[in-house]
Parts: sequence; C-alpha cells; structure tokens
Amino acid sequence: GNSVTQMEGPVTLSEEAFLTINCTYTATGYPSLFWYVQYPGEGLQLLLKATKADDKGSNKGFEATYRKETTSFHLEKGSVQVSDSAVYFCALSANNAGNMLTFGGGTRLMVKP
Amino acid sequence: SQTIHQWPATLVQPVGSPLSLECTVEGTSNPNLYWYRQAAGRGLQLLFYSVGIGQISSEVPQNLSASRPQDRQFILSSKKLLLSDSGFYLCAWSGTSGSSETQYFGPGTRLLVL
Repeated sequence: GNSVTQMEGPVTLSEEAFLTINCTYTATGYPSLFWYVQYPGEGLQLLLKATKADDKGSNKGFEATYRKETTSFHLEKGSVQVSDSAVYFCALSANNAGNMLTFGGGTRLMVKP
Repeated sequence: SQTIHQWPATLVQPVGSPLSLECTVEGTSNPNLYWYRQAAGRGLQLLFYSVGIGQISSEVPQNLSASRPQDRQFILSSKKLLLSDSGFYLCAWSGTSGSSETQYFGPGTRLLVL
C-alpha cells in the first residue's frame, strides 16, 4: 500500500536558519506529492505540490522537488521566520478513486527569534 | 472562489451525549468530501469520504457516522460520545477529476468530551 514517512519533530531553529524537512514515500504508479502546513488552532493549508518527477513546487519561499529515483519530496526554505512555526504534513495522492490522500505523521517546526 | 465552512468551532460535550458536526462547501459542484480526526499532537486519520449525495465510505470502524444529505453538505454524527472521541475534526473537499486531487481543508472543530 501507499505510505509517507516524515522526519520526527519537533525541529527547532533560530530565525534565518536553513530548513529541511525530509519526506519519503512508497506508492504504486506515479503519485502527486503535496506539502500542507497547519498553524496553531487552524485547519491545513496547501503549501505546495508537484505532480510528476523532477517537478519543483514552490510557495512563500518554500521549495520541494519530486525525486522519483529516491522517492523523496523534501521541504526546504533558505531562511525561516518565526511566523513559519507550524506543523508540516507531507502527503501523496496515488490517482485513486475519491482522490484520497495518504499523509505523513507531521513535523512540528519551532522557530526562535 | 471556493470556501469551506465548519461549525461549531469548539464543542464541549459530556460522555454519552449525541454529536452533530456540520461542513458545507461553497463555489463548487459535486465535490468529494472528507472527514478527518486529529488527536492532540498526532497526525491525521481519515474517517469518512463521500463521492456523491448519499454515498459514504468509512475508513475505520468507530463510534461515528457520516451523512451527505445535500451535494455540498457533509455531517459527522454520533449517538453516544466516548472520551476517546475528543480531538480536532477537519472537513475537506476536492474536485472529482483525476487532475483535481488537491484537498482543501476547513478551519476545524475542536471537540472535548468530558
């Protein structure tokens, strides 16, 4: 079956540090890959997505590249801000009926000033 | 543009009481709809999804049920709440075609069962 594995948190960084949150997946076929962000007390927001190998999704300074050879979709940001503190979820959609997503367990990011 | 609403935002209920959480979507037709639960500090668990009116699929056996009485309305219910039903409940929608797979989430309902 499909699965998504994320690095466990919390990840604690100082402001302006470089961020990497690792995500690897197992899926049949050619899934689409997503990163969602959840700010405290809120629902999930789509951060970025990539639908095929070597695609790079980007938004708000965050980037992730769909690497089929390593089955990975790592999230990166060059310089984090305190406002980036949130929980980040990696997810995949494996072209299934119902467009269901398989989520990773989430990674909490804490950015200190 | 599409929007998704959930209410109530917060709910405190005694054990054994009934539950009804509502989710509505605006600005789209015939969406796929989903209910998730998120326990404190944990990941997301898909509870139910629906591809059309009256069509409900359950992903995990539990104390909860779902209904879709209208195209853009999705309701999560329970006849008797358990302590373990506490959590953050999220509703989401997506398009129905293979290229519309992105799910969009509502603001959530925080449920505390005492």
